[in-house]
Amino acid sequence: NAGVTQTPKFRVLKTGQSMTLLCAQDMNHEYMYWYRQDPGMGLRLIHYSVGEGTTAKGEVPDGYNVSRLKKQNFLLGLESAAPSQTSVYFCASSYSTLGAYEQYFGPGTRLTVT
Amino acid sequence: GENVEQHPSTLSVQEGDSAVIKCTYSDSASNYFPWYKQELGKRPQLIIDIRSNVGEKKDQRIAVTLNKTAKHFSLHITETQPEDSAVYFCAASISSGNTGKLIFGQGTTLQVKP
Repeated sequence: NAGVTQTPKFRVLKTGQSMTLLCAQDMNHEYMYWYRQDPGMGLRLIHYSVGEGTTAKGEVPDGYNVSRLKKQNFLLGLESAAPSQTSVYFCASSYSTLGAYEQYFGPGTRLTVT
Repeated sequence: GENVEQHPSTLSVQEGDSAVIKCTYSDSASNYFPWYKQELGKRPQLIIDIRSNVGEKKDQRIAVTLNKTAKHFSLHITETQPEDSAVYFCAASISSGNTGKLIFGQGTTLQVKP
């Protein structure tokens, strides 16, 4: 049981390049989330999904797109990377039964945009 | 919008002393309050959580208290040890919609000096 995994672990992009971050979970969770973590700002929600085929915007969605074609996978895309997107990105998943529950986090992806 | 304020941003204690981290939230309908610990370079991991129908919860050296009227909750760590050194995040559930979303505080860096 791997829990939540993320690929890649590290990535360096040039401004304007694109990339996709992959999150996978094997806990059969309905809910999945993408966060970014910047110093002194906690974890900010980018996009989230409450089930296969559904996605919604979080607190800081600009410059990102997501897709959830399979229940176990949640992809985060950057179409044209900017230096402001330099951050550590965490994926998380949780149960969905009647309210909020513990979110399980992946190991993170450290992205640098030059 | 919903907001969680966390204080202090940094906390330094001597080994064996107690540490207290405080959070306030804005959404009066929030009903789930987790605390996460994040060691350097690692993912956030849940250490304790509390629901709105409970005023206090303890797990060995860690306790959380909740004051719904004041919209305030706190993490208490007793007999601190060097391995407690980490960044701690509080969070509160967002009540609108059944999404499991959490809003996180900005984090507290706890240093326990041997």
